[in-house]
Amino acid sequence: AQKVTQAQTEISVVEKEDVTLDCVYETRDTTYYLFWYKQPPSGELVFLIRRNSFDEQNEISGRYSWNFQKSTSSFNFTITASQVVDSAVYFCALSGGGGGSNYKLTFGKGTLLTVNP
Amino acid sequence: DARVTQTPRHKVTEMGQEVTMRCQPILGHNTVFWYRQTMMQGLELLAYFRNRAPLDDSGMPKDRFSAEMPDATLATLKIQPSEPRDSAVYFCASGRDRRTGYTFGSGTRLTVV
Repeated sequence: AQKVTQAQTEISVVEKEDVTLDCVYETRDTTYYLFWYKQPPSGELVFLIRRNSFDEQNEISGRYSWNFQKSTSSFNFTITASQVVDSAVYFCALSGGGGGSNYKLTFGKGTLLTVNP
Repeated sequence: DARVTQTPRHKVTEMGQEVTMRCQPILGHNTVFWYRQTMMQGLELLAYFRNRAPLDDSGMPKDRFSAEMPDATLATLKIQPSEPRDSAVYFCASGRDRRTGYTFGSGTRLTVV
């Protein structure tokens, strides 16, 4: 069975602070894919990033960066110099590498990030 | 940008009524998901299709829920009869495969009174 744990239920920071959202996953698959989605107050789910299990290179996109470590089964997300517009619920998700039901996304419970001015 | 279109955006219905939610996946996407989001359970997979064939509907209450893809441009999720505990936001998502990720629609907010 696949599982995603986001231990931080809520995080509150002041604008311009850096913040890291934690994600720990469990899977028996050797090939798998990890995702981060953002859900702003408007409610839609916005795709942020996808990584596969063979690529442990960290990625940076503007103020966003992701740290993937297979040794600790973690895929953490850091926002540098946070802004009020970053306030949202952030979801980490996992998809297995095989066929059939492994196409599905298993989501964590999400982390509510509030960035205060 | 291409979008996944869900209709209706909001639905209020009385207990016992039939509810039909529709989803138009992005053209060319052959994988379609239905997820339900509630405060208590978070995002739960209800069903999904690949090349219009149902692959997994184990998360769906079979006695009242049904999901179909009559063609590549339409996915439907029906609840009959609806119950107050079905109140939630229902999301449709589509994609080609895990390597390219999945795009979610804006959701249908269902309230059953």
